Amino acid sequence: EPEVTQTPSHQVTQMGQEVILRCVPISNHLYFYWYRQILGQKVEFLVSFYNNEISEKSEIFDDQFSVERPDGSNFTLKIRSTKLEDSAMYFCASSVRPNGGDTEAFFGQGTRLTVV
Amino acid sequence: DQQVKQNSPSLSVQEGRISILNCDYTNSMFDYFLWYKKYPAEGPTFLISISSIKDKNEDGRFTVFLNKSAKHLSLHIVPSQPGDSAVYFCAASVVDAGNMLTFGGGTRLMVKP
Repeated sequence: EPEVTQTPSHQVTQMGQEVILRCVPISNHLYFYWYRQILGQKVEFLVSFYNNEISEKSEIFDDQFSVERPDGSNFTLKIRSTKLEDSAMYFCASSVRPNGGDTEAFFGQGTRLTVV
Repeated sequence: DQQVKQNSPSLSVQEGRISILNCDYTNSMFDYFLWYKKYPAEGPTFLISISSIKDKNEDGRFTVFLNKSAKHLSLHIVPSQPGDSAVYFCAASVVDAGNMLTFGGGTRLMVKP
């Protein structure tokens, strides 16, 4: 069964450092997403990406964040200068169509980011 | 901002009985609802969804009910199995108005053998 894969599974970084989280969405999917879950809190939407551009982003997704699809398979989330409060589980997801209309987003297993 | 709420943080059910997980929402624009299941150290796994034009959707042991007037949905699992023990998230979106899912806080279901 096709799946969304994320690397690394755990990343520890020093505050102020740049970090890149990587995702390989399901191959025939066209919509890509990043969500995060701070420990003990809700899963929160960060950004959606379609046709090589951001289609929607939340207020969490400020100038420190960026996304890119550098080639035909990878989808990356970059945090330019990490803060302690960026520590969370980051989930990548993809879908054939936008959420809704008998489609659903498939999630990766997540990358645990720890900022020290 | 609590547009989607799951008021029960945990639920314990005996194997073979029915599990009922509840979810309330406040945004009347939501028109598509999903349930995800999550095991520790894994990403959310899609379970079942329902469009606002329906009030019930069934898939095997899982049934989702939607009450639009009450802005309430529920997930029924029957019969419950120990392997169903996980955290269950409801999520909502607005079709054709963006791709984001708004999640509830989750309910931890424990099915006892």
